[in-house]
Amino acid sequence: NAGVMQNPRHLVRRRGQEARLRCSPMKGHSHVYWYRQLPEEGLKFMVYLQKENIIDESGMPKERFSAEFPKEGPSILRIQQVVRGDSAAYFCASSPLGQGYGYTFGSGTRLTVV
Amino acid sequence: EDQVTQSPEALRLQEGESSSLNCSYTVSGLRGLFWYRQDPGKGPEFLFTLYSAGEEKEKERLKATLTKKESFLHITAPKPEDSATYLCAVQAQETSGSRLTFGEGTQLTVNP
Repeated sequence: NAGVMQNPRHLVRRRGQEARLRCSPMKGHSHVYWYRQLPEEGLKFMVYLQKENIIDESGMPKERFSAEFPKEGPSILRIQQVVRGDSAAYFCASSPLGQGYGYTFGSGTRLTVV
Repeated sequence: EDQVTQSPEALRLQEGESSSLNCSYTVSGLRGLFWYRQDPGKGPEFLFTLYSAGEEKEKERLKATLTKKESFLHITAPKPEDSATYLCAVQAQETSGSRLTFGEGTQLTVNP
């Protein structure tokens, strides 16, 4: 029973490039969440998705960031025109139901912008 | 705005020396309080969910308790393998989905 799979584990991008982070939820899980962990800071909520729907994107920066969870395939977090401040660990989590349940987190993607 | 404050920021214990980690929270109607463990370079690992004041849950050397304002994670006779960062998070009843608000964690080191 594979857990939440994130790839790549490490990603290096130059300023101005695009970063694409992928997340495959656990089998049977239809709810996906993205969190960001900046150096020396706690986990911050970014976006909550179900298949083909964005449910809550209140934590997502208004510009350059977007997320999707298509009917087929993994969830994608896309960061356009990356800047140094985007360097962080990005974690995806999934759950079988929404409210009141603990998530299962992936191992994260560590993005470094040079 | 929901807030979670964890203390201490860091804690060093000798193997076998029991202690407690604190999580104070402010939330507009608590749906659930969650404890996670995070090892360096890894994602958080789910430990417990507590739903109402007075509730307690145990797992091996860990015991989590909940009051109306705070939660404690008690560690009894810790071992070096318990070394990790322990994260507390709350979920509010009013959130549209399942958003968790995390504290910044307590970094626990257990020396042999």
